[in-house]
Amino acid sequence: DADVTQTPRNRITKTGKRIMLECSQTKGHDRMYWYRQDPGLGLRLIYYSFDVKDINKGEISDGYSVSRQAQAKFSLSLESAIPNQTALYFCATSDGDRGNNQPQHFGDGTRLSIL
Amino acid sequence: AQKITQTQPGMFVQEKEAVTLDCTYDTSDQSYGLFWYKQPSSGEMIFLIYQGSYDEQNATEGRYSLNFQKARKSANLVISASQLGDSAMYFCAMRERLLGKLIFGQGTELSVKP
Repeated sequence: DADVTQTPRNRITKTGKRIMLECSQTKGHDRMYWYRQDPGLGLRLIYYSFDVKDINKGEISDGYSVSRQAQAKFSLSLESAIPNQTALYFCATSDGDRGNNQPQHFGDGTRLSIL
Repeated sequence: AQKITQTQPGMFVQEKEAVTLDCTYDTSDQSYGLFWYKQPSSGEMIFLIYQGSYDEQNATEGRYSLNFQKARKSANLVISASQLGDSAMYFCAMRERLLGKLIFGQGTELSVKP
């Protein structure tokens, strides 16, 4: 089983719909992140969380919200989806206690298409 | 502001040859970390190698090595003996010191020819 699991893997939906992307991890990491990837732009940070009660905006948080339901779960919501939110979304985790040389571990991504 | 620049949108290499993927960075921090990730066509992000700003030796992991030139602010990935399975997007990333966020470059698409 994957250490970082994202659901769904693919989603097609319509403009204006509310969508939730879920992420769960079995690595025991305290830090969790949501990124989106667009062609030619690399990955950009949407939100991140260092603990259950800690939520922080990234560089492109407008139009998104998150919930850290437990240490192992971090969900991303699009309250009213719009076509320019069509992208590949990644959840990632890292172990903050082990220092900054620890890589972030990524889920397999969610391909989201908004029509 | 911190920034990562990958100037090669696409690269070709012959199977079994070595290839260098360029990465330059900009930061005012003295302590930082640099990472390379591989993204195959299936989409997942695979961690390859890490270099710390205070590491005296260049990092190596199997066929991957990092040519770290601190004064030039470059952290190029070298893949030796390329294999067909190395065809993928490669991303250079820098870890922001205080908050641990990763800042990514735009990526380089590597194609390995048989």
